[in-house]
Amino acid sequence: DQQVKQNSPSLSVQEGRISILNCDYTNSMFDYFLWYKKYPAEGPTFLISISSIKDKNEDGRFTVFLNKSAKHLSLHIVPSQPGDSAVYFCAARSSNTGKLIFGQGTTLQVKP
Amino acid sequence: KAGVTQTPRYLIKTRGQQVTLSCSPISGHRSVSWYQQTPGQGLQFLFEYFSETQRNKGNFPGRFSGRQFSNSRSEMNVSTLELGDSALYLCASSLEGGGSLAEQYFGPGTRLTVT
Repeated sequence: DQQVKQNSPSLSVQEGRISILNCDYTNSMFDYFLWYKKYPAEGPTFLISISSIKDKNEDGRFTVFLNKSAKHLSLHIVPSQPGDSAVYFCAARSSNTGKLIFGQGTTLQVKP
Repeated sequence: KAGVTQTPRYLIKTRGQQVTLSCSPISGHRSVSWYQQTPGQGLQFLFEYFSETQRNKGNFPGRFSGRQFSNSRSEMNVSTLELGDSALYLCASSLEGGGSLAEQYFGPGTRLTVT
């Protein structure tokens, strides 16, 4: 049972435009959500996070939105740059268990 | 401060063999988690160790085991390897882990190929 789902395996965007990566979850006990970026041959690196008590968190070009009623979160990258091309994973955790559950990942390609 | 290191980076084994992977966390980090990454499955949680004790466990068979040493270094062992065990194995460390909100820092991974 996939508790965290990223339904789009890939996304292609033109440089300078907005990239929107989506993530859905099923477990209402999740109270902390994170996005990681992964380049080939490297481990994932933390990008941005959001607590369930918020609906938006912004860090530079990256904004994460959380819609608890829809059990949906999204990552917006504006403006997109070619260096943003990577695999993006969303992850969720409940403070009960502490386990970090990842989605399958979305490969973002930003074209110059 | 040095990051999370994993050894070896690449490994080729044959079915039925066993393998041990090693992870050294960031200095001062006490929690080490292991993940398996395969195409289409994302990162799947294997287990987490904190202060030499397994604190969390994912849904993997008993062939997958681990341990943590007093210096927080961790090893993961897979016995009786199967072709489906071919994957990138990632280790992540954090200060506290578990219910803490501390972010995890990942190592580069060990690419295991089972033939």
